[in-house]
Amino acid sequence: DAGVTQSPTHLIKTRGQHVTLRCSPISGHKSVSWYQQVLGQGPQFIFQYYEKEERGRGNFPDRFSARQFPNYSSELNVNALLLGDSALYLCASSFGGSNTGELFFGEGSRLTVL
Amino acid sequence: AQSVTQPDIHITVSEGASLELRCNYSYGATPYLFWYVQSPGQGLQLLLKYFSGDTLVQGIKGFEAEFKRSQSSFNLRKPSVHWSDAAEYFCAVGALGGYNKLIFGAGTRLAVHP
Repeated sequence: DAGVTQSPTHLIKTRGQHVTLRCSPISGHKSVSWYQQVLGQGPQFIFQYYEKEERGRGNFPDRFSARQFPNYSSELNVNALLLGDSALYLCASSFGGSNTGELFFGEGSRLTVL
Repeated sequence: AQSVTQPDIHITVSEGASLELRCNYSYGATPYLFWYVQSPGQGLQLLLKYFSGDTLVQGIKGFEAEFKRSQSSFNLRKPSVHWSDAAEYFCAVGALGGYNKLIFGAGTRLAVHP
């Protein structure tokens, strides 16, 4: 069975540009969460979507947005990129929307902003 | 505020030696606690979780963790480390709010000497 898949795996952007990251959850999972992992730190929660609705939002600026599609896949969008947005962006899926469920993580999309 | 502290940034052990990774949390209620492992180029994998009940939790790959409420700790242990255990280990707590948000520590990088 396929795990959580993310694309692209690596990308390089320049300051001010826009980026879209994509995530396909494990089949049957209805929740997708996004995390940002800056080098040397633990992952930081950005968003959670469950059944196509936003369930939670972390302490990130409005430049960060996301959505979930009817097939439960998800996109994370970041506008007006800053150097500090360089990070590994992790997508995680789970069957339910509460924090009692195990999160299954993808391998991440590594974003470098120059 | 909820937080997770992993006091050790790097730990080096010899293969076959025992291992203990420390984790302390700050939380206002009964916590949901997790340990994840991240190998280079891979996503986060759940090692074990604690929700309630027996305070000694068994996980995959021979790992166990003990929840101590009086010390606000959830330390990860393994009796005999293998070279393949070299990775980064993250402790996490499930956030209040009912949605699937994890708060991660900064991680402990484990090196294993032959």
